[in-house]
Amino acid sequence: EDKVVQSPLSLVVHEGDTVTLNCSYEVTNFRSLLWYKQEKKAPTFLFMLTSSGIEKKSGRLSSILDKKELFSILNITATQTGDSAVYLCAVTGTASKLTFGTGTRLQVTL
Amino acid sequence: DVKVTQSSRYLVKRTGEKVFLECVQDMDHENMFWYRQDPGLGLRLIYFSYDVKMKEKGDIPEGYSVSREKKERFSLILESASTNQTSMYLCAHSPPQGADRNGYTFGSGTRLTVV
Repeated sequence: EDKVVQSPLSLVVHEGDTVTLNCSYEVTNFRSLLWYKQEKKAPTFLFMLTSSGIEKKSGRLSSILDKKELFSILNITATQTGDSAVYLCAVTGTASKLTFGTGTRLQVTL
Repeated sequence: DVKVTQSSRYLVKRTGEKVFLECVQDMDHENMFWYRQDPGLGLRLIYFSYDVKMKEKGDIPEGYSVSREKKERFSLILESASTNQTSMYLCAHSPPQGADRNGYTFGSGTRLTVV
C-alpha cells in the first residue's frame, strides 16, 4: 500500500521566517510527487516533481525531490500571512491515483 | 483553464437517505477520482475511474458506489447515508497519462453533513 508521511503536522512562524516542510513516501513504481496548497477550498497545485535533485521554483516557494532517500521538501522563504494554509504532499505510482499525506498546517503570524 | 464542477457546496441529509454527489469536468479526460477529507486523516481515495463505465475501488470504498455513464460526469452515491459519512468530498481529474505539468485538478468540494 502506498504511503505518504508529512512533518511537522503543524507549525506557527512569524512573517519573514523561512520554513521547510517535509514529505517522505513509499510507493510502488513511483511516477511523480506533487505539492498542493489548501486554504478554505479545494487544493491548488504548486509543483510536480519526477526527477531527483532538480529544484522546482515559483517565487518564494521551491521544492526538491530525493528519489534515493524517498523524500521531498518544500521551502518557503520570507513567509507572508497569505502563506497560511495546509500544504499537502501526494505521490502517484502505477495506478495514476494520488495518495496524500495528512498535510502540514502552516500559520504565519505578524 | 480546466474546470471541475461539483454540483453542491453544502448538503445536509438524513441518516438512511440515498445521496448523489455530482462531478463534471470540461476536458475530455479519462481519469476521475473521488476523495473524502477529514481532519487528521487527510484526503483518502474512495473510488476512481479510467473511462466510461469503468470503476475501481480506492482505499475506503465501503458504503459508497459510483456511476460513470458519460466521460465528463462521475457521480458518487451514498446508498444509505450514515453519520460517519459526514465529511468534505472532493472530485478530481487528470489526463490519461496521469499528472501533467498542471497536476490533478480538483473541484471546490461538497461539505456533506448527515444528521
